[in-house]
Amino acid sequence: DQQVKQNSPSLSVQEGRISILNCDYTNSMFDYFLWYKKYPAEGPTFLISISSIKDKNEDGRFTVFLNKSAKHLSLHIVPSQPGDSAVYFCAASENFGNEKLTFGTGTRLTIIP
Amino acid sequence: GAVVSQHPSRVICKSGTSVKIECRSLDFQATTMFWYRQFPKQSLMLMATSNEGSKATYEQGVEKDKFLINHASLTLSTLTVTSAHPEDSSFYICSAREASYEQYFGPGTRLTVT
Repeated sequence: DQQVKQNSPSLSVQEGRISILNCDYTNSMFDYFLWYKKYPAEGPTFLISISSIKDKNEDGRFTVFLNKSAKHLSLHIVPSQPGDSAVYFCAASENFGNEKLTFGTGTRLTIIP
Repeated sequence: GAVVSQHPSRVICKSGTSVKIECRSLDFQATTMFWYRQFPKQSLMLMATSNEGSKATYEQGVEKDKFLINHASLTLSTLTVTSAHPEDSSFYICSAREASYEQYFGPGTRLTVT
């Protein structure tokens, strides 16, 4: 039972354009969401998070949007840079991050120079 | 700050032997550490959660007698894969958390059982 889903296994975006990565979840108890970036043979690196009391959180080039009614969140990266090429994981937890993380299957983002 | 290390980064062992993986939080005290496993092209799956000084809580389907977790101090947790089999070959990643803050992940350990 995959509670967090990333339906696009891969995405290619031209450098300078916007990258949009999507994530859907099924567990209505999730109230805290995170995005991680992962390079091969390395552990995930935290990027940005959002609590369910918000619908948007922005940090530099990264913005996360949360649509609770649709149980959907997205990560926007603009402008995209070659160094953004990596696998991006969406994760969710209950109790505002105090519970375990449930990860999606990841989306491989490739930025084309 | 918030650096988590793992050792070894890669290990190859023979079937039937045991292997220990260490996870250390280098610049903070980790009240909670987590162990994940990632198979190729799949998500990170949580195996167990450990709090310093207490027994680990294992996720459903994870054998606690096979995957021994020790969290003896606020900066060190170990995962021992006992009697390893080829199907245990995977990428094992730990994460550490101080109080209720974000989880910081280690670089992972690639285990290959021959």
